[in-house]
Amino acid sequence: DGGITQSPKYLFRKEGQNVTLSCEQNLNHDAMYWYRQDPGQGLRLIYYSQIVNDFQKGDIAEGYSVSREKKESFPLTVTSAQKNPTAFYLCASTPPGGDTDTQYFGPGTRLTVL
Amino acid sequence: AQSVTQLGSHVSVSEGALVLLRCNYSSSVPPYLFWYVQYPNQGLQLLLKYTTGATLVKGINGFEAEFKKSETSFHLTKPSAHMSDAAEYFCAVFGDFGNEKLTFGTGTRLTIIP
Repeated sequence: DGGITQSPKYLFRKEGQNVTLSCEQNLNHDAMYWYRQDPGQGLRLIYYSQIVNDFQKGDIAEGYSVSREKKESFPLTVTSAQKNPTAFYLCASTPPGGDTDTQYFGPGTRLTVL
Repeated sequence: AQSVTQLGSHVSVSEGALVLLRCNYSSSVPPYLFWYVQYPNQGLQLLLKYTTGATLVKGINGFEAEFKKSETSFHLTKPSAHMSDAAEYFCAVFGDFGNEKLTFGTGTRLTIIP
């Protein structure tokens, strides 16, 4: 089965600790995205990557970092510099070719910082 | 810059009644428009999208949306609500030139009354 996987589904961390969220896809998609979702605010773009070894800041990149060493993987690190990290994090990807406007989402990771 | 406004953060309808979720957009170029649905603690699933051509777009689960350029609207409708339609719905617009990414509205939570 092809798809986007995010792990873990629930994650708890103490304040001041860095934490890395996993996003993997086996769809052969080129572009990948990280969003943060907070109640009543919709989805906000953190980082995105259109090709391997390249990524761009989104609207709320401060306190986050990413890497794109493999086409299939786009991990997100929430650093201690992120002031309010508790949120639902969603990863997405888009296929190559003519359908690059359509994003397909993973199931999400809910991060709670204690 | 592109933007999306969803009128009504919460909408309640009776089972069997018409569902109408409102979305207005702003874009400096002909927009690509999307509706996504999110069930609790899950990722987003594409309902339908408009790119070019026919302005009435049919999606999954009996939903449809009509692109009205004169009103800058892309409202989502379903003739008869089902209990399984209870979810959060997001409207999104795909980017202006040089800003090829999705911008989401803040979402509308749909409740179905038995």
